[in-house]
Amino acid sequence: QVQLQESGPGLVKPSQTLSLTCTVSGVSISRGNHYWSWIRQHPEKGLEWIGYIYYSGSTYYNPSLKSRVIISIDTSENQFSLNLSSMTAADTAVYYCARRGSGNHFDFWGRGTLVTVSS
Amino acid sequence: EIVLTQSPATLSLSPGERATLSCKASQTLSRHLAWYQQKPAQAPRLLIYDASSRATGIPARFSGSGSGTDFTLTISSLEPEDFAVYFCQEGVTFGGGTKVEIK
Repeated sequence: QVQLQESGPGLVKPSQTLSLTCTVSGVSISRGNHYWSWIRQHPEKGLEWIGYIYYSGSTYYNPSLKSRVIISIDTSENQFSLNLSSMTAADTAVYYCARRGSGNHFDFWGRGTLVTVSS
Repeated sequence: EIVLTQSPATLSLSPGERATLSCKASQTLSRHLAWYQQKPAQAPRLLIYDASSRATGIPARFSGSGSGTDFTLTISSLEPEDFAVYFCQEGVTFGGGTKVEIK
């Protein structure tokens, strides 16, 4: 069974960089045709795609966040990571990692981690 | 950029009733539309992909239909565990969600 688990700080100060890691189990992250994704959800709001990475290292980012986002992959650890710089209160959200499968949909999700931006 | 508009925002129904949720796209889609269910403090769960294919383990009371710009998620007879928020998705765009609440 494919499982994803986010890890990282729950509290980040304004202007700092958020670093989250998603550990994948049940499947090798380097098997092809999957895009490893970050999605966030502001409190009581909808879902916002942040970006994803292919096992080869190719990345695709939301244009509205592109200047602040880096997604990287570590196939040896079966993990991928999110760095989001210059955090503000507007970045307070639940951050999910997810797999976009061979189709156009996100078939497996982590449980999500709440990140609060506050001094 | 595709915009997905879901309606209604809230649907108040009783267990056993039929739920019909709408997702309208700002431009013609490729039939890769997906539907997700989200319960409080849980991650979204994939229900439907490619507009009408049920994901693994999803009960038959959930069905998806539509093409072009108009898509529908139907729950034929609501079970207590179906009261939740439902999102549609195409590509990297999500709809705003429909909350199905107990009447």
